[in-house]
Amino acid sequence: GDSVTQMEGPVTLSEEAFLTINCTYTATGYPSLFWYVQYPGEGLQLLLKATKADDKGSNKGFEATYRKETTSFHLEKGSVQVSDSAVYFCALSFPFSGSARQLTFGSGTQLTVLP
Amino acid sequence: DTGVSQDPRHKITKRGQNVTFRCDPISEHNRLYWYRQTLGQGPEFLTYFQNEAQLEKSRLLSDRFSAERPKGSFSTLEIQRTEQGDSAMYLCASSFKRESYEQYFGPGTRLTVT
Repeated sequence: GDSVTQMEGPVTLSEEAFLTINCTYTATGYPSLFWYVQYPGEGLQLLLKATKADDKGSNKGFEATYRKETTSFHLEKGSVQVSDSAVYFCALSFPFSGSARQLTFGSGTQLTVLP
Repeated sequence: DTGVSQDPRHKITKRGQNVTFRCDPISEHNRLYWYRQTLGQGPEFLTYFQNEAQLEKSRLLSDRFSAERPKGSFSTLEIQRTEQGDSAMYLCASSFKRESYEQYFGPGTRLTVT
């Protein structure tokens, strides 16, 4: 079945450091790919998405590029802030007409940014 | 609209008891999802409604679990004869075609079965 694998955490960085969180997927076909973020005590929020190969999703300084050849969607940010501390989830879904379009998530990566 | 809401936020129950959770989606969102998230894991899909029709159920949804969405508005998830393995965060999400089916999540209900 479909699955998403994320790099294991936790990840601890100093403020202004470069961030990479690796994500690879296994799927039959070409899914849409997502990064969700979960801040403490809050619900999951969509951070960015890409719907086809070579698309780059970006938001709040975060970027991820849909790489079909490596089945990857790594999350990057050039300079992290303390406020970026959260759990990050990579996910996929299939946007076929008539389907549930449910999300399949990775296990999450806890990021802590120190001042 | 204030987003997806869930009630209660926390529930502690004894093994064998029944529990019911409620989800209020964003108004006009016709799709509603339930997910379960255990500690250190990502959310796992449980079931999906389009309007009032329950169209898909995961094999994770055992016979002790039942979900409803009367009139296509709020939804309830009931767990009968709870077991310790049911302890988890139960998440609700809603989506709408005009927003490219982006799923908006509620804050979740944390269930602890003692």
